[in-house]
Amino acid sequence: ETGVTQSPTHLIKTRGQQVTLRCSSQSGHNTVSWYQQALGQGPQFIFQYYREEENGRGNFPPRFSGLQFPNYSSELNVNALELDDSALYLCASSRTGTRGSPLHFGNGTRLTVT
Amino acid sequence: DQQVKQNSPSLSVQEGRISILNCDYTNSMFDYFLWYKKYPAEGPTFLISISSIKDKNEDGRFTVFLNKSAKHLSLHIVPSQPGDSAVYFCAASADYGQNFVFGPGTRLSVLP
Repeated sequence: ETGVTQSPTHLIKTRGQQVTLRCSSQSGHNTVSWYQQALGQGPQFIFQYYREEENGRGNFPPRFSGLQFPNYSSELNVNALELDDSALYLCASSRTGTRGSPLHFGNGTRLTVT
Repeated sequence: DQQVKQNSPSLSVQEGRISILNCDYTNSMFDYFLWYKKYPAEGPTFLISISSIKDKNEDGRFTVFLNKSAKHLSLHIVPSQPGDSAVYFCAASADYGQNFVFGPGTRLSVLP
């Protein structure tokens, strides 16, 4: 069983730039969620994708956007980067349609905005 | 406004003893709860879940208890092992697995 993989592992960007983070789901999973984890805090829900459409969104501005592909992989795009966007970005996959399917996380992408 | 709280930032326990990690929530609509542990430089690893129709769930050394009237859940680890040293997060969902709200975490140290 292949787990959730994320790329890249680390990234340094300058304020105002744009970034794309990538995620491959665990095999058998059809739903992808993205979370932001700031230092010393718990992960915070950004959005979820199911059947290639956004299926729920947390309190994040529109410059955070995403995609899900037919193979259930996903991208997180952040435009106009701000210093506060520096965080660990976690992708998680799960199986919608199975009541109570837990999230399975990748190891994350550490984004630093300077 | 934190909907999920873990009021103990850290906990130290002797190897072989019981570790009890606590979590409180404010949203009575939460119906599905998860516990995760996280090592540095890794993503959170799923440990155990419980739905609101149960008050206890066990998996090996891990047991989760849910007290809906008190809006409180706890994770018991027995016996604690040094490899259990990590940050533990509880998470709650109001729609059975869509948007999960995470607590801030408790750092557990198991001393040999």
